[in-house]
Parts: sequence; structure tokens; C-alpha cells
Amino acid sequence: EFVLTQSPGTLSLSPGERATLSCRASQSISSSDLAWYQQKPGQSPRLLISGASRRATGIPDRFSGSGSGTDFTLTISRLEPDDFAVYYCQLYGSSPLFGQGTKLEIK
Amino acid sequence: EVHLVESGGGLVQPGGSLRLSCVASGSTFSFHWMHWVRQAPGKGLVWVSRISSDGNIKTYADAVKGRFTISRDNAKTTLYLQMDSLRAEDTAVYYCARDNGDPLGAFDIWGRGTMVTVSS
Repeated sequence: EFVLTQSPGTLSLSPGERATLSCRASQSISSSDLAWYQQKPGQSPRLLISGASRRATGIPDRFSGSGSGTDFTLTISRLEPDDFAVYYCQLYGSSPLFGQGTKLEIK
Repeated sequence: EVHLVESGGGLVQPGGSLRLSCVASGSTFSFHWMHWVRQAPGKGLVWVSRISSDGNIKTYADAVKGRFTISRDNAKTTLYLQMDSLRAEDTAVYYCARDNGDPLGAFDIWGRGTMVTVSS
């Protein structure tokens, strides 16, 4: 069974700090099929990154994605209060699959 | 700007049926594959189903295969999800989402969701 595992489950940081979120695939995947989403309480998900590193329209450049093979990373360079949310990685394409999410909370 | 608005959720008994709708604004609906994604209370996102832009290709998650049917009416810019033989574990917010790929890509536009509760 193919799995995307996100870590950590919860990340506690302060505004201004750098956040590094990990997404590990159980098998090697094409980086062109990896996305990141942000979801705030009571809201629908918002696309941040597709193709592992391509920012979606309107996404600030403090959000960046990287990685290849089985290991992918979402980095938020300087956290702003609005960034505290749950983040999901996703394998799209032939068999869409989401990771279980990382909650980014204010320390 | 494209918007997606879901409707049709509600409370239904186990074994019952519901039909969800997702109306898209804008003129590009017929060009895009579309998806349903669900989220149980306090849980993560789970992909449910997708349909090709012309409606001819439909794919389902194993958990709903044989019980749910996805369809679309491009003239009405509307996506549907017919849900039969509902179970308690189908309780979730159901989102429709647009695929921005050519043909398959990330989900760039999401609706606000409609809540489905399966309970006696």
C-alpha cells in the first residue's frame, strides 16, 4: 500500500521562525506529482505548491517546496501569524493520495 | 474568478442515499477534470472520486467503489456525487475540487464543502 507520511505531526514555532515540514513517500514518486496544501480551521484547503516546488498563484515567496524521490519538504522561511494551520502533502495524478497532515501551531 | 459551491449534504440514516452537487461559476468548467475529497470530523483529507472533463472517465477510491457515482453536466457547470448505501464512516465534509492539470494535476480550486452525517 502506497503511503505518504508527514512529520512532525505537530510543529510548535513562533512568528518569525523558519518552519520545515517533511513528507515521505513509501515509494519513489515523480516530483511533478507532489503538492502541498494549507488548511485553516473551518476553511477548505488552499493549494500552495505543485510539482514539488512551483508556487501557486498568489502564494508568497516565503513558502517554498523541494525534494525528489521519496523525500519532500515544505519550508516557510519566516512565519507570520496567518501561517499557523494544518499542512497536507498530496500525490496527484493517477492515484491521488494525501498525507495525514502536519499541524503548525504557535509556540 | 472561478468559484465552486457544494450543496446537498445533510443527515441520513445508514443505508440511505444522498446526492451532492457542486456548481461552478465561470466558463472553464468543461475543460477540467473534477474531484470529490472528503474530511471526517477532526481528520485529514481523503480523495473520493474524479471525473474527466468530458465525463467519460470515472475513478473511485476503494472505500466508495460500487456505492458512489460521480457525474457531471457541463451545460449546467455542475458536478454531482450520488452516494448510496451510506455508512457511518462516510460521515464527513465533502469538498469538490478542480484539477488544474493537463489532464491531471493539483487541485487548485476548492469549494467550501457540504457536511454529510450518516447516523440513526
